[in-house]
Amino acid sequence: GDSVTQMEGPVTLSEEAFLTINCTYTATGYPSLFWYVQYPGEGLQLLLKATKADDKGSNKGFEATYRKETTSFHLEKGSVQVSDSAVYFCALTPYGGYQKVTFGIGTKLQVIP
Amino acid sequence: DVKVTQSSRYLVKRTGEKVFLECVQDMDHENMFWYRQDPGLGLRLIYFSYDVKMKEKGDIPEGYSVSREKKERFSLILESASTNQTSMYLCASISGLQNQPQHFGDGTRLSIL
Repeated sequence: GDSVTQMEGPVTLSEEAFLTINCTYTATGYPSLFWYVQYPGEGLQLLLKATKADDKGSNKGFEATYRKETTSFHLEKGSVQVSDSAVYFCALTPYGGYQKVTFGIGTKLQVIP
Repeated sequence: DVKVTQSSRYLVKRTGEKVFLECVQDMDHENMFWYRQDPGLGLRLIYFSYDVKMKEKGDIPEGYSVSREKKERFSLILESASTNQTSMYLCASISGLQNQPQHFGDGTRLSIL
């Protein structure tokens, strides 16, 4: 079956540091890939998405590129802020199978001033 | 703007009680989901519904049931609450179009004493 692998963390960074959260997946065909963010006390919200190979999703300074050859969708940000402290989930939906979302375990990011 | 509303943010119940968690979405989405979120386990799908009165079991349906009498409302029922059902419960919905993200409510933190 489909799976998404990401480190659980926590990841602790100083403000303005570079962020990378790795995400790799296993799926047949061409899934759509997502990053969701969960701020403390809230539900998940979409951060960015990519729907085909080599697509780059971006939002709020975060970026991720759909790499079919390495089955990866790593999340990056050049300079993190304290307000980026949250849990980040990588997820996929199979092509045509939007009902079944597979989530990674979530990576907790803590940014310290 | 898209809105998924869960009826309670915090709920405390006793072992053996029948517990109802309510979720309403205002986006006319066909598909709705219930997840539970636990530390170290990520999000696990309990049940989902792809139409009124239609439901399918997710990965961990034991001890739960669901009801979807109207398109906008999806209820999760704990038939006889147990302490191992203490968790964060998240409701989500998604349209029938491809490549769309799920929209989440803010969650219900349920404690079973």
